[in-house]
Amino acid sequence: AQSVTQLDSQVPVFEEAPVELRCNYSSSVSVYLFWYVQYPNQGLQLLLKYLSGSTLVKGINGFEAEFNKSQTSFHLRKPSVHISDTAEYFCAVKGKGFQKLVFGTGTRLLVSP
Amino acid sequence: GAVVSQHPSWVICKSGTSVKIECRSLDFQATTMFWYRQFPKQSLMLMATSNEGSKATYEQGVEKDKFLINHASLTLSTLTVTSAHPEDSSFYICSAPRGLAGGYYEQYFGPGTRLTVT
Repeated sequence: AQSVTQLDSQVPVFEEAPVELRCNYSSSVSVYLFWYVQYPNQGLQLLLKYLSGSTLVKGINGFEAEFNKSQTSFHLRKPSVHISDTAEYFCAVKGKGFQKLVFGTGTRLLVSP
Repeated sequence: GAVVSQHPSWVICKSGTSVKIECRSLDFQATTMFWYRQFPKQSLMLMATSNEGSKATYEQGVEKDKFLINHASLTLSTLTVTSAHPEDSSFYICSAPRGLAGGYYEQYFGPGTRLTVT
């Protein structure tokens, strides 16, 4: 079975500052890792994913994440955030060979001017 | 890219009535679909796996007689909330996996349906 931990329920940050949203996972098998963003009253939008290869993954809207197998982490980063980045961010894991996605509890990113 | 739609996007119903939510994969076939429930400011919780041509698989703690799932075709799954109560009010999201190269399945999410039971 897989599980995901997002330790930060809320991250306040000022506009144009860098941000890191933390994600740790556990799994008994190899995994695929994902970050999704959800704006109020909307569905999920895929930001980026790690399937294999380079551990640094670049996604949409200037976000990137780094897969660290030894630390079982997949932290999301952005060097300079905008007000429009205010949203809920979910880290998710899927075991290779499985179809179920397991979500973390989410981190609310609050960007203020 | 692949598109998954849900209908309706929002619905208000009276306590005791039933409501049906549709999930469609618009440009690909999906033998499996997933139904999630999301309470305000919380994460997505998998409710059940919908299987075309067979019974749905429910997660532990989900009442199968209350949340009826029917996967009628390779592009349509429905979730019926029977005898709805205010505590069933939630945001329901479906997803459908689409097979890509190398045996990997990409999950495509619907836009969600907000159910309010009065």
